[in-house]
Amino acid sequence: EVQLVESGGGLVQPGRSLRLSCAASGFTFHDYAMHWVRQAPGEGLEWVSGITWNSGSIGYAASVKGRFTISRDNANNSLYLQMNSLRAEDTALYYCVKDVTFDSRGFDYWGQGTLVTVSS
Amino acid sequence: EIVMTQSPATLSVSPGERATLSCRASQSVSSNLAWYQQRPGQAPRLLIYDASTRATGLPARFSGGGSGTEFTLTISSLQSEDFAVYYCQQYNNWPVTFGGGTKVEI
Repeated sequence: EVQLVESGGGLVQPGRSLRLSCAASGFTFHDYAMHWVRQAPGEGLEWVSGITWNSGSIGYAASVKGRFTISRDNANNSLYLQMNSLRAEDTALYYCVKDVTFDSRGFDYWGQGTLVTVSS
Repeated sequence: EIVMTQSPATLSVSPGERATLSCRASQSVSSNLAWYQQRPGQAPRLLIYDASTRATGLPARFSGGGSGTEFTLTISSLQSEDFAVYYCQQYNNWPVTFGGGTKVEI
């Protein structure tokens, strides 16, 4: 059974940093691209960042480029999102998401999310 | 960035009726389009990818079509569990972008 378990969310002040982690199990992690998708309270879905199977391609939404960094550790089946210079508008539920394939072809498994609240 | 526009924003239908949801891309995404369902309090669920390929275990009442810039998701006979919000997503180019969603309500 595929499982994606996010951690690292919480309440943080504007301008501070937070690191999200995602522990993956139940599939061959290094064969698939992975993504972070967020959803602000009562809003729609926003792709934050993605990384291909071998970290050869990495992408970011314009809203987070230069502030967030995605990475993966294939040896430990883990995905990360380093979030710096956090803003109030980064407040959202952050989902760790598995891709259908090694690069980008739809997101077939989602974690339950970790809530990030940016507020003073 | 490719902008995805979904219509209508809200679709009111009765159980057993057919529902057709639309999604338009601001430029061609070929067939690199997916549909997701999100029920309240739950994570999204993949329904369709590559514009028309059903995800594993998806009931046959769900079907996707289109290519280029115009896409549709059809639910042939709505069941109670189908009342939810539906999102389209393009993955032809990064950044990946989602539509704003269509809420299917009773």
